[in-house]
Amino acid sequence: SAVISQKPSRDICQRGTSLTIQCQVDSQVTMMFWYRQQPGQSLTLIATANQGSEATYESGFVIDKFPISRPNLTFSTLTVSNMSPEDSSIYLCSVYREYNEQFFGPGTRLTVL
Amino acid sequence: GQQLNQSPQSMFIQEGEDVSMNCTSSSIFNTWLWYKQDPGEGPVLLIALYKAGELTSNGRLTAQFGITRKDSFLNISASIPSDVGIYFCAGRIFGNEKLTFGTGTRLTIIP
Repeated sequence: SAVISQKPSRDICQRGTSLTIQCQVDSQVTMMFWYRQQPGQSLTLIATANQGSEATYESGFVIDKFPISRPNLTFSTLTVSNMSPEDSSIYLCSVYREYNEQFFGPGTRLTVL
Repeated sequence: GQQLNQSPQSMFIQEGEDVSMNCTSSSIFNTWLWYKQDPGEGPVLLIALYKAGELTSNGRLTAQFGITRKDSFLNISASIPSDVGIYFCAGRIFGNEKLTFGTGTRLTIIP
């Protein structure tokens, strides 16, 4: 398995502001993903973070709202822009290595007031 | 997006009881995974299944990849307090690394 860390672990933000979440993996991985988990819900894929190119977004998620960077094979960031209370969720980084399955970070719990 | 249907949605059991839950889909998957999520944590991978009919164990946990490729089952034997949490199934289609997640089963142990 991979050791995945996320920063911050939690934050309380004012509406209209932006928050950048960092994800660091202890070794190189093929794929990195960002998920959102709204309160009491399952996990929803936001986007696939591609190294060296623009992220691939799922239906309902757009780059202007959730810009993503992946400068190398061990690090990615997700920004939640112009936040509203509806963005209050847990944001999870996930990594996949072929033949080694998909693992999740500890999550970032975001509350927007 | 698509979600897999998990059943039951929640379970209330006594310590020592066995637990069974399942996950169904209208589509065929080539990989089935089972995760457990504790409060305030990210999901932790429990079992991965790659072949129709496959039965795999991890301690007291046993999972099966359904023959139709449209379902999977997870059993927990002799439940203990640390089994409390939310269990998610997830499926993957061949050639696509993305996972589709189930709706989750919340397990509670009654004292």
